[in-house]
Amino acid sequence: GAVVSQHPSWVICKSGTSVKIECRSLDFQATTMFWYRQFPKQSLMLMATSNEGSKATYEQGVEKDKFLINHASLTLSTLTVTSAHPEDSSFYICSAKKTSGRGGPQETQYFGPGTRLLVL
Amino acid sequence: GQNIDQPTEMTATEGAIVQINCTYQTSGFNGLFWYQQHAGEAPTFLSYNVLDGLEEKGRFSSFLSRSKGYSYLLLKELQMKDSASYLCAVMDSNYQLIWGAGTKLIIKP
Repeated sequence: GAVVSQHPSWVICKSGTSVKIECRSLDFQATTMFWYRQFPKQSLMLMATSNEGSKATYEQGVEKDKFLINHASLTLSTLTVTSAHPEDSSFYICSAKKTSGRGGPQETQYFGPGTRLLVL
Repeated sequence: GQNIDQPTEMTATEGAIVQINCTYQTSGFNGLFWYQQHAGEAPTFLSYNVLDGLEEKGRFSSFLSRSKGYSYLLLKELQMKDSASYLCAVMDSNYQLIWGAGTKLIIKP
């Protein structure tokens, strides 16, 4: 299998606080994990790509100091939304894949169930 | 630039067959993926095509023509639970996944 979990599934916080979201690959080692954001009725938007043991690569327009990503092990990546504001309220989804840059079905991304963030 | 095109929305009847098309222009090609995303949930993997032809998986089949930059997802014997968005994504020469905007499929009884 290829199961990815995320925690928490729901979080409500006050404006100005920081929120940490965990993404874990449960039954495989993930060389690469991805963080996406999705607003209601809109497409998936890739925020950043993280490889274990190295710095994340952020997409254009995503503030790396606001969205801190740590990929400390082959099974865990975390996204911290620092000083969250109401406009950061969204559905955050992580995905993981087993290999990187070799092609083939091993490049399939498996998604976690997502985390809904509501900033009041 | 890189581009993935798929219809925004389609409607079909329960029990029928529907074909969702995807055309792409990307810098290189290392495979095409189809994902299903139910409202309020994360995407789930459906299929992967890298060679031309049809891949069948139960009620779902996916077709690829690399020369035409074209794929389709075929859903047979539609069920109400198939109502979802279907996302086409292409892996380019740098192994970056380029996502389409998704096709919302509405199934009517």
